[in-house]
Amino acid sequence: AQKVTQAQTEISVVEKEDVTLDCVYETRDTTYYLFWYKQPPSGELVFLIRRNSFDEQNEISGRYSWNFQKSTSSFNFTITASQVVDSAVYFCALSEWETSGSRLTFGEGTQLTVNP
Amino acid sequence: EAGVAQSPRYKIIEKRQSVAFWCNPISGHATLYWYQQILGQGPKLLIQFQNNGVVDDSQLPKDRFSAERLKGVDSTLKIQPAKLEDSAVYLCASSLVAEAFFGQGTRLTVV
Repeated sequence: AQKVTQAQTEISVVEKEDVTLDCVYETRDTTYYLFWYKQPPSGELVFLIRRNSFDEQNEISGRYSWNFQKSTSSFNFTITASQVVDSAVYFCALSEWETSGSRLTFGEGTQLTVNP
Repeated sequence: EAGVAQSPRYKIIEKRQSVAFWCNPISGHATLYWYQQILGQGPKLLIQFQNNGVVDDSQLPKDRFSAERLKGVDSTLKIQPAKLEDSAVYLCASSLVAEAFFGQGTRLTVV
């Protein structure tokens, strides 16, 4: 069975601080996909990134970066120089390779609050 | 490109009543999902369709929940009869290849 753990339930930072959201996963599959989604107060889940299990290169997109370490089953997400608009719930998710990455198992989410 | 459309946005019903939610996926997306998100938790998959066929409904409480996707486009999710524990946001998503794109959800409150 697949499982995603986001140990940080809530994080509060002051604007311009860097913040890292942790994600640890469990799966018996050797190939799989990992995702991060953002859920602002409006409720819609916004796709941020997808990584496949054989690509361990870190990725940077603007102020966002992701660190994937297969050895520790972790896929952490860092926001650099946080802004108030980053306030949201962030979900890490895992999916089977066979479904092409679209049947998702989500973690419980981390509520990020960025204060001005 | 239009996103995933869901209606209604909010619904309040009494327990034992029935309710239906509607989803229109992104044009051309063959795969459609319904997720249930209870407050404070991550979404959980209820059912997955590929075109108009069911791929996975192992997590759907079939004694009260039903879903259909006629003609492989729009989908409806029904609950009959509703229980208090069904209070949640019901999210519809669609995908073409890999990434799933989500609608804004329907917030159901059962009183």
